[in-house]
Amino acid sequence: DAGVTQSPTHLIKTRGQQVTLRCSPKSGHDTVSWYQQALGQGPQFIFQYYEEEERQRGNFPDRFSGHQFPNYSSELNVNALLLGDSALYLCASSLLGVGTGFTEAFFGQGTRLTVV
Amino acid sequence: AQTVTQSQPEMSVQEAETVTLSCTYDTSESNYYLFWYKQPPSRQMILVIRQEAYKQQNATENRFSVNFQKAAKSFSLKISDSQLGDTAMYFCAFMKQTSGTYKYIFGTGTRLKVLA
Repeated sequence: DAGVTQSPTHLIKTRGQQVTLRCSPKSGHDTVSWYQQALGQGPQFIFQYYEEEERQRGNFPDRFSGHQFPNYSSELNVNALLLGDSALYLCASSLLGVGTGFTEAFFGQGTRLTVV
Repeated sequence: AQTVTQSQPEMSVQEAETVTLSCTYDTSESNYYLFWYKQPPSRQMILVIRQEAYKQQNATENRFSVNFQKAAKSFSLKISDSQLGDTAMYFCAFMKQTSGTYKYIFGTGTRLKVLA
């Protein structure tokens, strides 16, 4: 079992550009959440996808958008990048199907985004 | 809104000794989960221990145990027989699952260094 995989591991972008980060959930998981972790801070919730829909969103601007595919993988898109978007972006997956109750969320190793 | 506070930015402990990391949280909920995650330099968040709020018994996982005080909204982590491999950032997290969705709220973390 490969666990949660994220790509790329590192990325450098210029202000104003757009970026797409990718996440493949742990086998058997159907829910993907994205978190932003600024340097020296704890992760902040961006949004969560389940059944290809955004189910909950944190306090992030519309420049942050996402998508979940039928195979449960997910993308995080950030438009009009700002210097302040530089952070580690973590993906977490879990199983949230009907009747399953709560299951542990597993995290990927993250994508380190640097905006210059 | 829920908040999680970790008041110890950095701590150190001698190998084989015991250390306690503090965490307090604020919520009006009665049913929720609390977690301690470890984040080594590899960046991957690793679950250390989990506590269901409805359980009065404190959770334990080998050398790791918690002191859960629900009325005081306190959730400390005790690491016994500290090992060099315990060196990492430790995050306390709160989670409430509602209407088929959930999110983690993390504290700002405690950097733990185990000294040889």
